Order: sequence, then C-alpha cells, then structure tokens
Amino acid sequence: GENVEQHPSTLSVQEGDSAVIKCTYSDSASNYFPWYKQELGKRPQLIIDIRSNVGEKKDQRIAVTLNKTAKHFSLHITETQPEDSAVYFCAASKSNAGKSTFGDGTTLTVKP
Amino acid sequence: SAVISQKPSRDICQRGTSLTIQCQVDSQVTMMFWYRQQPGQSLTLIATANQGSEATYESGFVIDKFPISRPNLTFSTLTVSNMSPEDSSIYLCSVESGTGGDIQYFGAGTRLSVL
Repeated sequence: GENVEQHPSTLSVQEGDSAVIKCTYSDSASNYFPWYKQELGKRPQLIIDIRSNVGEKKDQRIAVTLNKTAKHFSLHITETQPEDSAVYFCAASKSNAGKSTFGDGTTLTVKP
Repeated sequence: SAVISQKPSRDICQRGTSLTIQCQVDSQVTMMFWYRQQPGQSLTLIATANQGSEATYESGFVIDKFPISRPNLTFSTLTVSNMSPEDSSIYLCSVESGTGGDIQYFGAGTRLSVL
C-alpha cells in the first residue's frame, strides 16, 4: 500500500518568513496530493491540492510543488502570519479510488 | 463541497460499554470514511463505508470492535464496542466530493474519553 512520509515534524518560523513542508510517497500510481490544515480542536480542512498532471499550483501565499519522478511534493507558505500556526498534513491517493494516506503531520508555529 | 454533521461532539464513557457515532452529509456520497486521530497524531483510517455493502476495514481494525452501518447515501454510524481506555481518541467521519471526487471533507469529530 501507499506510504507517505512527512517532515519536519515541527517547524518554527518568524512572522513574515517562509515555511516549507515536504512529503514523499511510495506508490507511483498515486495522482492526487492534498494538503490539510488542522487548527487545535478543529477538523482538518483542505488548503490546497495538486494532481499529477501539474507540477506547481499557487493560491495567494500558499503553493504546492510536485516532482513525480522523485515522488515528492512540498507545501510552501510565504509571508507567514501567526494565524498560519496549525498542524499541516499531506496526503496521497488515487483519484476516485477512495482512501487517502496521510503523512504524520507538521506542527507549524509562527512567532510574532 | 460537503457539509458534515457528526454527533456526539464528545463523550465520556465507562470501560466495557459501547458508543455509536453518527455522521450525516448534506448530499449523496458513494463512500464515507471513518478515521481515528489520537492526540498529537495523524489520521488513521479505520474503514470505508459503502452503501449497500459491508464496510471495508483497514489492517488492525475489525468489524466486531468497530461495527459500521451505512443505511443510505447520506448517513453512516460507527460504533466503538466494549471500550477500553486505549479507545480514547478523536473519531472523524469524512466524505469525498469535489471535481475529481477526491477532495475530502471532515466532520467536526467526536472526542471520546474512556474511563
């Protein structure tokens, strides 16, 4: 089955700096890679996703890059703000095949 | 998108009892998923619930411990049976929606404490 590794497990940055979280996956058939943000006590919520036919996707301060050959994808957050502090999960799945496999999560702390 | 209502939001239960968690979606969905999230940890898939067939369980989870019902395309229940303190966790239901049918939306979760 699919295996997703995520690092770092914790990341602390100063407000305004950039943050990068990286994930690798094992199943070359995976073609959908979402990122979820989970604030303390809340449900995970999708913040951005990328499909295997695209190498990069950007949404305001958030971007995701995908390297299919190396089987890794990364989340980039620029101009970080204290409200970006949360746990971020990457995931991998095959479209319409059901279940996603999640990484272990990264706790991001943005210090004002 | 999909709006998911999950209840109860939290419960404190005695060892040996069972708790049924309900998940209601505002649209018809083929698959519903049940996850467990232990404190500070990632999401672990318990099972996938399909309407009209038995749920598919992941390795380490069995039907006797986590029976699931899926009576229609908008509703599912997960029962945590014969609970022990090790079952204390957050349980989340999830559905897939979106353009490719693969964006996951989560319920707010059920925080379960077993004494």
